[in-house]
Amino acid sequence: QVHLVESGGGVVQPGRSLRLSCAASGFTFNSYAMHWVRQAPGKGLEWLAIISYDENDHNYADSVKGRFTISRDNSKKTLFLQMDGLTSEDTAIYYCAKGRPAYTTTWLLDYWGQGTLVIVSS
Amino acid sequence: EIVMTQSPATLSVSPGERATLSCRASQSVSSNLAWYQQKPGQAPRLLIFGASTRATGIPARFSGSGSGTEFTLTISSLQSEDFAVYYCQQYSNWLGTFGQGTKVEI
Repeated sequence: QVHLVESGGGVVQPGRSLRLSCAASGFTFNSYAMHWVRQAPGKGLEWLAIISYDENDHNYADSVKGRFTISRDNSKKTLFLQMDGLTSEDTAIYYCAKGRPAYTTTWLLDYWGQGTLVIVSS
Repeated sequence: EIVMTQSPATLSVSPGERATLSCRASQSVSSNLAWYQQKPGQAPRLLIFGASTRATGIPARFSGSGSGTEFTLTISSLQSEDFAVYYCQQYSNWLGTFGQGTKVEI
């Protein structure tokens, strides 16, 4: 079955960087677009970034454009999110999610990881 | 950007009753509309896509309807495990956007 496991969260000071990872299993990783979505404490879902199955296309929410970079290593079935210039407003649970269907750049998210918590605080 | 608006913000329902949740898009998204369920401390789970197709393993008491700008999620007979927050999401264009959520409470 599909399994997505995020890691790399923690407490970081404002202005610093953090890199999140998402290990995937149970599906053909290199056939699906992947996403990052976050949820601030007590708030709703905010889509952040997408990377196409073949790494050729990326797109970002305005709130993170220029600060966050999504990437993937298809050989290792792993998704990444490099977060630079963090502020307190980036404090949230960060989820990776799998897009569907295969070989498309789509925002339909059919499987989600359990999330990793990022706290930006001095 | 397409703005998704859900109503009501909170819905109080008794077990066994029907729940009807609404989602409105600021412009047409055709049938590119999904519903997700999120329980406390858990990740969201896909319930409905294509406005009306249940995802794998989703019970038949969950149904979706609508197209264009107006959508509805109906839970025909609420079970205890259905009390959660429900989000709609459009995936019609780049930057798929979520609604703010409807909390279904006892």
